[in-house]
Amino acid sequence: AQSVTQLDSQVPVFEEAPVELRCNYSSSVSVYLFWYVQYPNQGLQLLLKYLSGSTLVKGINGFEAEFNKSQTSFHLRKPSVHISDTAEYFCAVISMDSSYKLIFGSGTRLLVRP
Amino acid sequence: EPEVTQTPSHQVTQMGQEVILRCVPISNHLYFYWYRQILGQKVEFLVSFYNNEISEKSEIFDDQFSVERPDGSNFTLKIRSTKLEDSAMYFCASSVGTGLLEQYFGPGTRLTVT
Repeated sequence: AQSVTQLDSQVPVFEEAPVELRCNYSSSVSVYLFWYVQYPNQGLQLLLKYLSGSTLVKGINGFEAEFNKSQTSFHLRKPSVHISDTAEYFCAVISMDSSYKLIFGSGTRLLVRP
Repeated sequence: EPEVTQTPSHQVTQMGQEVILRCVPISNHLYFYWYRQILGQKVEFLVSFYNNEISEKSEIFDDQFSVERPDGSNFTLKIRSTKLEDSAMYFCASSVGTGLLEQYFGPGTRLTVT
C-alpha cells in the first residue's frame, strides 16, 4: 500500500520570499509523483510530475520539485512567491503496479501575505 | 483549452434519497475517475472506469455507489441511498490514457446530505 504525508497543514510566507512545501511518501513499489494545486472554488490542477529521468522537475507558475529516492521525498519549491500562489497544494502518487488511482496527501495551505 | 465539467456545482439532498452527479470528461479521454474530499480530509479515490467497465474501486465504493457512461460524453456517479457521511466534494477526472498518466480534474460537486 502507498501513503503520502504532508506534515505542514499551513505554510504562511511573505510575498517574494522563497517557499518549500514538504512531501514524503511510503510505498513498497516504485511510484510516479505529482503536485496538484487547488485554488478556491476550483478543481485540482496539475503543477508538475515526476515519471522518470532527471530528479529535478519544473512545473507551471515557477514551481519545481526534487525527487529524492533515498529519503522518499518530493518537496515542492518556489524561489519567490506571489499573492496569487495562495492555494491548497496536494502531493500525490500513483504506483507502478498498474493501478492508476492517485493517492493524495492531506494538503498544505500556502498563505502568501503582502 | 478543453476542460472537465461537472454539474451541479452544489447538491443538497435528504438522507435516503438517490443522487446523480454528472461529469463531462475531455472528449478524447478514455479513462475516467471519481474522487471525493470530505471537508478537512484528504482527497480519496473512489473508482476508475475504462472501456465501459470499472477498472478499480476503493473500499468506499460499496453497493450504494454506481457509475455509468450513458452516452458518448457523460460520466455519472449515482449514490442510491445517501447517508450523512456521504456529504463531501466529489471530483470527476479524466485522462487520455495510462501512458501520460495526467488526470484532469473538474471543479467538483459539493454534496450536502441533511
